[in-house]
Amino acid sequence: TQLLEQSPQFLSIQEGENLTVYCNSSSVFSSLQWYRQEPGEGPVLLVTVVTGGEVKKLKRLTFQFGDARKDSSLHITAAQPGDTGLYLCAGATANFGNEKLTFGTGTRLTIIP
Amino acid sequence: DTGVSQNPRHKITKRGQNVTFRCDPISEHNRLYWYRQTLGQGPEFLTYFQNEAQLEKSRLLSDRFSAERPKGSFSTLEIQRTEQGDSAMYLCASSDDRQPQHFGDGTRLSIL
Repeated sequence: TQLLEQSPQFLSIQEGENLTVYCNSSSVFSSLQWYRQEPGEGPVLLVTVVTGGEVKKLKRLTFQFGDARKDSSLHITAAQPGDTGLYLCAGATANFGNEKLTFGTGTRLTIIP
Repeated sequence: DTGVSQNPRHKITKRGQNVTFRCDPISEHNRLYWYRQTLGQGPEFLTYFQNEAQLEKSRLLSDRFSAERPKGSFSTLEIQRTEQGDSAMYLCASSDDRQPQHFGDGTRLSIL
């Protein structure tokens, strides 16, 4: 069974601070997706990483896929209240994430103005 | 591109009743997925279709659950004889062969 563990489970920080969220597994994935979900809504795709060691940047968000393709991290610089939400990593055995996704346990992030 | 549409958004029903949810994928997406999400957890995979063919089913999908995608477009998920443990958000996603999955806003099911 493939499992993805995210840490921390909850994170509450002041606006302007930096933070890192981790997603770890004992299994190898062909690709890993990061989603953000707000209450009452579905997950919204942020990024897909495919290559071991890959780094992708999306404005203030930096995503990294581990060399062994078992883990990933999300770093947010100068957090803003709009970053508040549930961050989910999801591993796939397909490069485009277009087969079954295995989701992590989620990190609930709160940015305090 | 209007996104993945799910109906109804909320469903409240009594234990033992049958319920059916509908998902309309992004047009021309040939793959459609169903997930279930309980409070405080990440979504769990239930099943997925490529066109009208159901390619994979999770062990979570008991015999009370059935999903169809008869014409390879919209899909329905039916739960028969609902139980308290079925209370959850049911999420639908779609993709094509070279795109990641995009999710709808889900149907929240509450069993009284």
